[in-house]
Amino acid sequence: DTGVSQNPRHKITKRGQNVTFRCDPISEHNRLYWYRQTLGQGPEFLTYFQNEAQLEKSRLLSDRFSAERPKGSFSTLEIQRTEQGDSAMYLCASSSPGEKLFFGSGTQLSVL
Amino acid sequence: GIQVEQSPPDLILQEGANSTLRCNFSDSVNNLQWFHQNPWGQLINLFYIPSGTKQNGRLSATTVATERYSLLYISSSQTTDSGVYFCALAQGGKLIFGQGTELSVKP
Repeated sequence: DTGVSQNPRHKITKRGQNVTFRCDPISEHNRLYWYRQTLGQGPEFLTYFQNEAQLEKSRLLSDRFSAERPKGSFSTLEIQRTEQGDSAMYLCASSSPGEKLFFGSGTQLSVL
Repeated sequence: GIQVEQSPPDLILQEGANSTLRCNFSDSVNNLQWFHQNPWGQLINLFYIPSGTKQNGRLSATTVATERYSLLYISSSQTTDSGVYFCALAQGGKLIFGQGTELSVKP
């Protein structure tokens, strides 16, 4: 068990560009979550999957954000037409239903 | 939605001291977890504790679900305990996080 893995660790992009992040969950976990965290705040829920099905998406999530988990294993989070307000740490986590949540190290996004 | 309030927001301790962190919540809970975010940003799951008391080394946690609060105890604190402590509660299939308690342990 290698834990939750996220790539890249850091991403610097220019405003208006698209970015994609990847998350590999703990292999036996069928739930995968995406959170966003800004300085001084707790993690903010974005979306989650059970296997390949996206079960919930935050109403705060703009339509520029899309997430997929095509085979129920790894997941990608894409942000289109990035804005400076998208700068944050993007965290992925996995769990079995109703059990402990385990987080990856995150992807720090900076939009210039 | 469920509200999660943590106190105190900040705490400074001398190494070796004990502390209690509190998490109040607005609704019944079947899934409550405590996390530690270290100074490098990694979130570590400390406890899954929807009710009752659990202990893990110098840390213990108690949740009184009927009174809608949970407590995290840190005994004999060490500098490595520094960071932010979050409680999080389930709303549907997801966890909602509080704003955290930032702990600084001085040598």
